[in-house]
Amino acid sequence: DIQMTQSPSSLSASVGDRVTITCRASQSINSYLNWYQQKPGKAPNLLIYAASSLQSGVPSRFSGSGSGTDFTLTISNLQPEDFASYYCQQSYSTPRTFGQGTKVEIK
Amino acid sequence: QVQLVQSGAEVKKPGASVKVSCKASGYTFTVYYVHWVRQAPGQGLEWMGRINPNGGGTHYAQNFQGRVTMTTDTSISTALMELSSLRSDDTAVYYCAREGGGGSFPRLETWGQGTLVTVSS
Repeated sequence: DIQMTQSPSSLSASVGDRVTITCRASQSINSYLNWYQQKPGKAPNLLIYAASSLQSGVPSRFSGSGSGTDFTLTISNLQPEDFASYYCQQSYSTPRTFGQGTKVEIK
Repeated sequence: QVQLVQSGAEVKKPGASVKVSCKASGYTFTVYYVHWVRQAPGQGLEWMGRINPNGGGTHYAQNFQGRVTMTTDTSISTALMELSSLRSDDTAVYYCAREGGGGSFPRLETWGQGTLVTVSS
């Protein structure tokens, strides 16, 4: 199975900040990497697919990059509604493993 | 619009089984894989498996092999997930999700609202 490791597990930031979350795969997954946002009590919501493609309807302050084993999710100009948990997931092979998540909290 | 609506919360005793349903609307049900993901309280997302509604082919995560059964009823555009031999650590919210991407860069584009399963004696 491919292991996905996210860092940090949590971070504190202020509105307007630029935030970066990293995700590392235990083996190359090319660009088969998705990012999801989850707010408390809600289902996850797809933000980024294929490592860097923005899902329809997602604000452009969200961006993704990387390929192979190392990936990043960047939120520029953090907004109040962005305080949530974020998960990466590989779709290169089954099982479709998730990272352990990153909680973005208000500083 | 594409929508997945799941069945309501369940409370089960250890050793019992639970069946969660996921009714799809707004698209052709047999075209897209359905995945199941669970989330224990305060924990992260755990992928359980997926089913191809066109033919019923499945792939289960090793952690659930022998305990989980995923099926579909195409006549009512519904996916079903049954988990047996329930333990207290199966207490979680269970989600269904539709895979998008058409086979290219698969992703979980649409999610159900989640079903809380509580296992308690």
